[in-house]
Amino acid sequence: GQNIDQPTEMTATEGAIVQINCTYQTSGFNGLFWYQQHAGEAPTFLSYNVLDGLEEKGRFSSFLSRSKGYSYLLLKELQMKDSASYLCAALTGANNLFFGTGTRLTVIP
Amino acid sequence: NAGVTQTPKFQVLKTGQSMTLQCAQDMNHEYMSWYRQDPGMGLRLIHYSVGAGITDQGEVPNGYNVSRSTTEDFPLRLLSAAPSQTSVYFCASSLQRNQPQHFGDGTRLSIL
Repeated sequence: GQNIDQPTEMTATEGAIVQINCTYQTSGFNGLFWYQQHAGEAPTFLSYNVLDGLEEKGRFSSFLSRSKGYSYLLLKELQMKDSASYLCAALTGANNLFFGTGTRLTVIP
Repeated sequence: NAGVTQTPKFQVLKTGQSMTLQCAQDMNHEYMSWYRQDPGMGLRLIHYSVGAGITDQGEVPNGYNVSRSTTEDFPLRLLSAAPSQTSVYFCASSLQRNQPQHFGDGTRLSIL
C-alpha cells in the first residue's frame, strides 16, 4: 500500500519560519515533490528532491531523507501570500505521483 | 504561452449523462495525466499517457476513458456520470514522467 502523512493545518506569523513535515511509504520511490495550491487554484510546482539532503530555492527549502521516508518544506520570512495548501507528493516506482492530503498553512499578521 | 488549458471550467450534469473534459497543452510535453481532487483527500491519478497513442490506468480509473491521438490533447470522458464523480478535475503535463508537472486551472464538475 501507499501512504503519505502530513499535518492537516498549520498557523504561523508573518516574517517567521515554518517547517511542514511529510512522511511517506510507497511502492518504490523515485523522488519527492512539493506543490503549492492556493484556494480555488491549480497546484504549482515548488521543489523536487531525488537525493538525500537540502535543496534551497530562495525563501523555500526542501529536505529529503530516503532512509527515513521523510521530507520537509521550510518556508522562511513568511508573507501573507504564502497562505495556501502545501502538497507533498512521492514519485512511485511506477513513476506516478502519489499525493498527500496537503497541509493548509495560514499566515497571520 | 497558454500552458495547460482545460475546458469547461464548471459543469453540472445529471446522473447517467456522458461528457468529455478537454485538456490541451502547447509545451510539447510527452507526459499528460488526469487527477481528481476531493475534500480531505489528496489528488488521485485517474489515467495518464506517456505519449501519443499510449494511455494507462492510474489509481481510480473506473468510470472514465481517455485517448491520446495527438501530443497536445488528452480528453477525459465520463461514460455515465454518477454523483460519486462530483469533484474537481485537474489535467497536468510534463516533459517526462519524472519531471515537474504543470497543472491546468481545473474543471469543477457536479453530478446531480
